[in-house]
Amino acid sequence: GESVGLHLPTLSVQEGDNSIINCAYSNSASDYFIWYKQESGKGPQFIIDIRSNMDKRQGQRVTVLLNKTVKHLSLQIAATQPGDSAVYFCAENDGGNEKLTFGTGTRLTIIP
Amino acid sequence: GAGVSQSPRYKVAKRGQDVALRCDPISGHVSLFWYQQALGQGPEFLTYFQNEAQLDKSGLPSDRFFAERPEGSVSTLKIQRTQQEDSAVYLCASRKRQTNEQFFGPGTRLTVL
Repeated sequence: GESVGLHLPTLSVQEGDNSIINCAYSNSASDYFIWYKQESGKGPQFIIDIRSNMDKRQGQRVTVLLNKTVKHLSLQIAATQPGDSAVYFCAENDGGNEKLTFGTGTRLTIIP
Repeated sequence: GAGVSQSPRYKVAKRGQDVALRCDPISGHVSLFWYQQALGQGPEFLTYFQNEAQLDKSGLPSDRFFAERPEGSVSTLKIQRTQQEDSAVYLCASRKRQTNEQFFGPGTRLTVL
């Protein structure tokens, strides 16, 4: 079946550096993608989203890139801070379904 | 403003016991979702309501799982005869009309002994 997966389960980044978290998806019908941040003991928190008619979207310190040709999604976090340490999930929705399909997650650790 | 709230935050049940997990969505949010998150995994869809109508329950793993939202606001996820494999965090999310963003609650961590 369709799945959303991540390339790396863990990522350690020096504080102040930029980080890139990658995600691959397999459902070519997916038309909406979201990045969530989940801290320990909390529910997923929305970071940024992008629709399939776009290839880049920027927020505050975050940028999402979408490459539909290779079915790849990435989240770039600029000037990482200790508070960015969390597990990051990509999720997708194919428009025909209301549910979100999540990837396994990448644990981002910021090294002081 | 108030976000999605869930209760209890933690629940320990003996195998075979029935449990009920509650979700209070954001006021005015039409859609409500339940997800199950196993340790170290991403959330997996269980079921979806629009108002009081359960429009998709394809993710419920067995007939021991039952969800309801009788008045289109608060929802309850019930698990009958709990098994150890039911141990997980159960997340509730709500969404307002004609948007895509789902707002998640803190989850209920269920441990079945």
